[in-house]
This record gives sequence, structure tokens and C-alpha cells, in this order.
Amino acid sequence: EAQVTQNPRYLITVTGKKLTVTCSQNMNHEYMSWYRQDPGLGLRQIYYSMNVEVTDKGDVPEGYKVSRKEKRNFPLILESPSPNQTSLYFCASSHRGPNQPQHFGDGTRLSIL
Amino acid sequence: GQQLNQSPQSMFIQEGEDVSMNCTSSSIFNTWLWYKQDPGEGPVLLIALYKAGELTSNGRLTAQFGITRKDSFLNISASIPSDVGIYFCAGHATRPSTGANSKLTFGKGITLSVRP
Repeated sequence: EAQVTQNPRYLITVTGKKLTVTCSQNMNHEYMSWYRQDPGLGLRQIYYSMNVEVTDKGDVPEGYKVSRKEKRNFPLILESPSPNQTSLYFCASSHRGPNQPQHFGDGTRLSIL
Repeated sequence: GQQLNQSPQSMFIQEGEDVSMNCTSSSIFNTWLWYKQDPGEGPVLLIALYKAGELTSNGRLTAQFGITRKDSFLNISASIPSDVGIYFCAGHATRPSTGANSKLTFGKGITLSVRP
């Protein structure tokens, strides 16, 4: 089954404790992206990757890092999480780019205390 | 940056009614996409539009790419309870600074409620 898998689905942690949210897709997609969803603000893009070893900033990249060492994986790293990064995060992938249908994961709800 | 305007934030309709949602922008987009998010899940693509003026249907859903390339609408006909959810429009445009085919902007979404 074609899917985008995020882990963990839920996490409560404390300020400053580094965390990684993993994202894996099994569709051999070139494009992957991370979004955060906040009430009243919709989906905002954090980082995206057009292909392996190619990443770029989205609209709200501050406080986040990503890497794309393999085609299937696109982890989101919060080196020093802060409470304003409490949010619902989605990873998505598409065949070649964002103008093609993106498959979204089921989301990761992060709470930073 | 580019912004997409979706309003109102919430809509309440009666089962069986038709509903129309607009998405507007001050910028030109090359692609318009409509996604639906069910509670507790990630967004799912409903319709993709790639040409100005294009009108595309998917079951009870119809969407159009505005002639000016600055707007799009989504119509849902004969609504049913499972139409409940958040509807997002998204526009894609090439980044002028890099030429990279990579920028996608989402609207804030419209939460649709359907009364049985």
C-alpha cells in the first residue's frame, strides 16, 4: 500500500531536548516536504526536498533542520525545541514536485512544554 | 510571501445542499490544488487544475482554475455528512529568484459542517 509514514504520532517533551520526527515514503517519490498546521493559520511549509541531497527552506524554517540522505526518508529535526513549535506536523511526498498530487502522512502532534 | 485567501473560516450547510468555496490570491499561480482533511488525518487531494479556465469534476465535486490565474473555486453538490472536514486550496508557482519548481502555498482552509 502506498503510504507516507510518520513517527512518532504524538510526543510531549520539554524545551531544549533535541527531537527527530521521521518520515518515510514507499512510492519512490522524488519530492518530499514538511508542513506544520496551526489553528487559524492552515498549512505552512517548513522545508522541502526536490531529491536526494537537495533541500530548501519553506515559509517557516526557523528552528528546524532536515536531511535527505536517501530517497525514501526525510526526517525533521528540532535541535532545541521551544514552546512555539508546539503544533501538528505533516510530511508529504509527490512524484516530482509540489504541483503534483501530494500524499500526506497522518500527522505528528508535538507538544513542547 | 504569497498568500491565498479562503473565507469564511467555517461554513454550515444542510445535507443535500450545494456549497461553493473560493480561493483568491494577489499572485498568479500555475497550478491550483484542492485538498480535504478529515479529522485526525492528513489532507487528501480532491482535484488538481493545471490550465487557466480548466473545469474539472470528481464525482460531486467540481473545481475551476480562474482565467486570471489568481483564483479558483470548488463546488460540492448534494452534500452528504461525510463531506464534513477542512477544505484547503493550494497554489503552485515557480520561485522567481531561483526558478525552482518548488513553491506551494496553502490557504488557511474552510471547515465545512453538514447538518443531517
